Amino acid sequence: EPEVTQTPSHQVTQMGQEVILRCVPISNHLYFYWYRQILGQKVEFLVSFYNNEISEKSEIFDDQFSVERPDGSNFTLKIRSTKLEDSAMYFCASSVWGPGANVLTFGAGSRLTVL
Amino acid sequence: GQNIDQPTEMTATEGAIVQINCTYQTSGFNGLFWYQQHAGEAPTFLSYNVLDGLEEKGRFSSFLSRSKGYSYLLLKELQMKDSASYLCAVIGGLTGGGNKLTFGTGTQLKVEL
Repeated sequence: EPEVTQTPSHQVTQMGQEVILRCVPISNHLYFYWYRQILGQKVEFLVSFYNNEISEKSEIFDDQFSVERPDGSNFTLKIRSTKLEDSAMYFCASSVWGPGANVLTFGAGSRLTVL
Repeated sequence: GQNIDQPTEMTATEGAIVQINCTYQTSGFNGLFWYQQHAGEAPTFLSYNVLDGLEEKGRFSSFLSRSKGYSYLLLKELQMKDSASYLCAVIGGLTGGGNKLTFGTGTQLKVEL
């Protein structure tokens, strides 16, 4: 079964450092997303991406965050200067275009720990 | 704004039936989803309701009433592996569109012998 692949599975970084989380969405999917889940809390929407541009973003997705699709397969989330409160599990997701576009398939997540 | 409420925890017995309720208040609505999430893992899709009524999928069923802002997930013939968090999520927020999912806090289900 096709799956969304995320790397790294776990990253530990120092506060103020830049972090890039990588995702390979399902190949025929056209919508891409990043969500995050702080330990013990709910899954929160960060950003959606379609046709090489951001289609929607949340208040959490401030200037410290950016997304990019650098080639035909990867979708990345960059945090420029990490803060302690950025520690969370970051989930990438993707969905098709058209019927079924609402059903998101999530990756296994990248756990970010900021020290 | 958006508000999605579901119980924090539930406990049920193996082989039994359990119903997990979800109520929502959103300014836009394009469908309600149930996801299953085991600890430390990604949410996995269970069901999707956009029209009122019951959707059945094997041991899992989901019901939606849009007029009441209410849904439930019904799990039958519970198995130990069903112990997980069950997330209610709604698509369609303040902008009323897009594929942005807003999640509830999840219901942690514990299945006991």
